Amino acid sequence: SQQGEEDPQALSIQEGENATMNCSYKTSINNLQWYRQNSGRGLVHLILIRSNEREKHSGRLRVTLDTSKKSSSLLITASRAADTASYFCATDGQQAGTALIFGKGTTLSVSS
Amino acid sequence: SQTIHQWPATLVQPVGSPLSLECTVEGTSNPNLYWYRQAAGRGLQLLFYSIGIDQISSEVPQNLSASRPQDRQFILSSKKLLLSDSGFYLCAWRKTMNTEAFFGQGTRLTVV
Repeated sequence: SQQGEEDPQALSIQEGENATMNCSYKTSINNLQWYRQNSGRGLVHLILIRSNEREKHSGRLRVTLDTSKKSSSLLITASRAADTASYFCATDGQQAGTALIFGKGTTLSVSS
Repeated sequence: SQTIHQWPATLVQPVGSPLSLECTVEGTSNPNLYWYRQAAGRGLQLLFYSIGIDQISSEVPQNLSASRPQDRQFILSSKKLLLSDSGFYLCAWRKTMNTEAFFGQGTRLTVV
């Protein structure tokens, strides 16, 4: 089953621009995580935001979480060609022993 | 430090043949282990997860099975592959729920 739904499905921007990706989910969560996947590779964890947090920063990444709207956004500032990848949100449910559930992802293309 | 090994990287198998994909984790004990499948250009579908030896949960009823013969070993199997089993299989681990996950490099399975 898939919990999250990223928007847009694909995003093309120029180097130096900001990229914003959104994620909506359905059930109550303990935390929401963002991952990055280069083509044909495994996923790499970017950032985790807990349900009692509203905003978190890590380098050029800014993540927001609105639990009332069941949504999150990932902002990448001053994008680079190396940021070209697919980005996924994933959620940890509140029920004990549950697994990390991923969305369908946003494919970001940054051209130089 | 912890590492995750997943093999093989690519596999071409005929319809009806068996499958065994192996994943091992080093440098940690009693990890939560996961198998995901990713269809081309799509999100990650959770197949199985395990919070301990002999504790495996199945998320999708199909002709795949998983086993955890040792604490840090997770195996995905099939007795008879179908064309629809083609995809990119990813193994992941994390220490516990509500923490980040670490992914293997994936296995590209093509059933012909």
